[in-house]
Amino acid sequence: GAGVSQSPSNKVTEKGKDVELRCDPISGHTALYWYRQRLGQGLEFLIYFQGNSAPDKSGLPSDRFSAERTGESVSTLTIQRTQQEDSAVYLCASSLANGQGYEQYFGPGTRLTVT
Amino acid sequence: DQQVKQNSPSLSVQEGRISILNCDYTNSMFDYFLWYKKYPAEGPTFLISISSIKDKNEDGRFTVFLNKSAKHLSLHIVPSQPGDSAVYFCAARAGSARQLTFGSGTQLTVLP
Repeated sequence: GAGVSQSPSNKVTEKGKDVELRCDPISGHTALYWYRQRLGQGLEFLIYFQGNSAPDKSGLPSDRFSAERTGESVSTLTIQRTQQEDSAVYLCASSLANGQGYEQYFGPGTRLTVT
Repeated sequence: DQQVKQNSPSLSVQEGRISILNCDYTNSMFDYFLWYKKYPAEGPTFLISISSIKDKNEDGRFTVFLNKSAKHLSLHIVPSQPGDSAVYFCAARAGSARQLTFGSGTQLTVLP
């Protein structure tokens, strides 16, 4: 079956512009996560969706970042007024549910470069 | 403050030998630990996990050891193969927390 897909794979944008990143989770996976990986660093949690519950936004670094998910399908991560420090690989993951034993499956990521 | 640390950014091992990747953590609430492997231009893929009620979990060539008193875990790969060359991330989860906390990764190179 299809894995987690993300688009675009690469995005170059000018400082100050808005960008929208898309994630298609594995069908049937109720949990969806966004992470960010800056160069040379580990993955940094951004936001978590579980079914129709309110998302856990505790990892979003500023109010320029927002994300939406409709039901158990596609999610979009939006970064407004991009800054150079937003340059990173943005990774999406999904899992059947949340908890031990429900492993997270990652997409290939979107490499964002802010010039 | 990094709660999960991988102090070795890189490791080179000869094919057929054992690879040992190390990870330390500071948060005593972590009770579930995972290792992910990442190839260039791909997302991380799950490798093996261990619950804090165990001190060892084995899956084929991969074994994870957990030392709770030292807040240390390690991944052993034996025998190492060139296809194992990748970045390995250690990750941890605390109880009901939803997200994983990742280390910065170790680049493993297995030399033929």
